Amino acid sequence: KQEVTQIPAALSVPEGENLVLNCSFTDSAIYNLQWFRQDPGKGLTSLLLIQSSQREQTSGRLNASLDKSSGRSTLYIAASQPGDSATYLCAVRQGSGNTGKLIFGQGTTLQVKP
Amino acid sequence: DAMVIQNPRYQVTQFGKPVTLSCSQTLNHNVMYWYQQKSSQAPKLLFHYYDKDFNNEADTPDNFQSRRPNTSFCFLDIRSPGLGDAAMYLCATSRVRGSDTQYFGPGTRLTVL
Repeated sequence: KQEVTQIPAALSVPEGENLVLNCSFTDSAIYNLQWFRQDPGKGLTSLLLIQSSQREQTSGRLNASLDKSSGRSTLYIAASQPGDSATYLCAVRQGSGNTGKLIFGQGTTLQVKP
Repeated sequence: DAMVIQNPRYQVTQFGKPVTLSCSQTLNHNVMYWYQQKSSQAPKLLFHYYDKDFNNEADTPDNFQSRRPNTSFCFLDIRSPGLGDAAMYLCATSRVRGSDTQYFGPGTRLTVL
């Protein structure tokens, strides 16, 4: 059974700092891995999606990497801003079938202090 | 413009009183999903519809049902809510089953008294 873990559960950093969020998964047979952002009381917004054949994806100040063999992904946020404060979730799509089922981690809650 | 709309945003119900949550989409997507997210936990898939084909997750309690009367709308019915059903309920859509991108609504936060 696939399990997705995110460490740390919470992180507080001063504005301008570069930071890394971690995601690990137990079953390497995944189709892809996705990073989402969730603001308090809101739904999820997709940030980056990495296919299983890819190593990384970049969007603006965000860079996500994937090491499928070791079951790890990182989300790198450069020059953090207070507006980056949110919960970041990673989710993997399982490697078989076509249900589109996503298995989520519990998230890392980020606070960027001005 | 909102693409996945959930109503209401906040719902309070009493223990054991049936409640229905609503999701609508303007994307004309074939697949609609319902996730349950309890406080500080990961979203968990309850079920999904591929067109009119209903797919229940194995560990979804019988207390949870769903209806999809047409492409645009999907409902989550909780027949007898318990205190443990208090959560954020997230609706999502994708163009096709297995599609990489799921579009999420803002969620409905359910409180059970």
